[in-house]
Amino acid sequence: RKEVEQDPGPFNVPEGATVAFNCTYSNSASQSFFWYRQDCRKEPKLLMSVYSSGNEDGRFTAQLNRASQYISLLIRDSKLSDSATYLCVVNMKNNDMRFGAGTRLTVKP
Amino acid sequence: EAQVTQNPRYLITVTGKKLTVTCSQNMNHEYMSWYRQDPGLGLRQIYYSMNVEVTDKGDVPEGYKVSRKEKRNFPLILESPSPNQTSLYFCASSFLGVDEKLFFGSGTQLSVL
Repeated sequence: RKEVEQDPGPFNVPEGATVAFNCTYSNSASQSFFWYRQDCRKEPKLLMSVYSSGNEDGRFTAQLNRASQYISLLIRDSKLSDSATYLCVVNMKNNDMRFGAGTRLTVKP
Repeated sequence: EAQVTQNPRYLITVTGKKLTVTCSQNMNHEYMSWYRQDPGLGLRQIYYSMNVEVTDKGDVPEGYKVSRKEKRNFPLILESPSPNQTSLYFCASSFLGVDEKLFFGSGTQLSVL
């Protein structure tokens, strides 16, 4: 079983749609969680950290369920510029980051 | 500007010809790491360093070497590249700590013929 698993997609959605991505992780002792965004062949960039209580940043909402060992990302009112690959990242311990393979999103006019 | 500088951006080489990919950060980060990214596999860690003169193997260290003689620099060395090392490589750095985010270099697309 992979340490961090994501649905690879692709997710093809129209502008204005709401889309949700899930990610599961295998290590119950994992300490912190992040969503990164990666545009084609470019470096990943932090989208948001994921906190136990859930957190929101504009149109983006991240949630963590430690009991079930999954995190989620919800994007509301999708924009064309949201088209990218979204990487789920889990910090196992001491900067030991594990990456999911990414979920590809395409937002269409 | 705070950044991780990685060079070169593109590199084509032949089997067996030693090469070095440089990585430098100006944020005084203790932690630096190298990843390779292949389709369907996500980012896999090659080597990492928690501080100067401290390096450790990641998940896929075979065929690679690193050094950390200075805090800001963390070069990746391929002594004898092979075609299975054709990949997209990223260097990253951060402060130590579980909530610290990684800053990435812009990547090196390596092709070994």
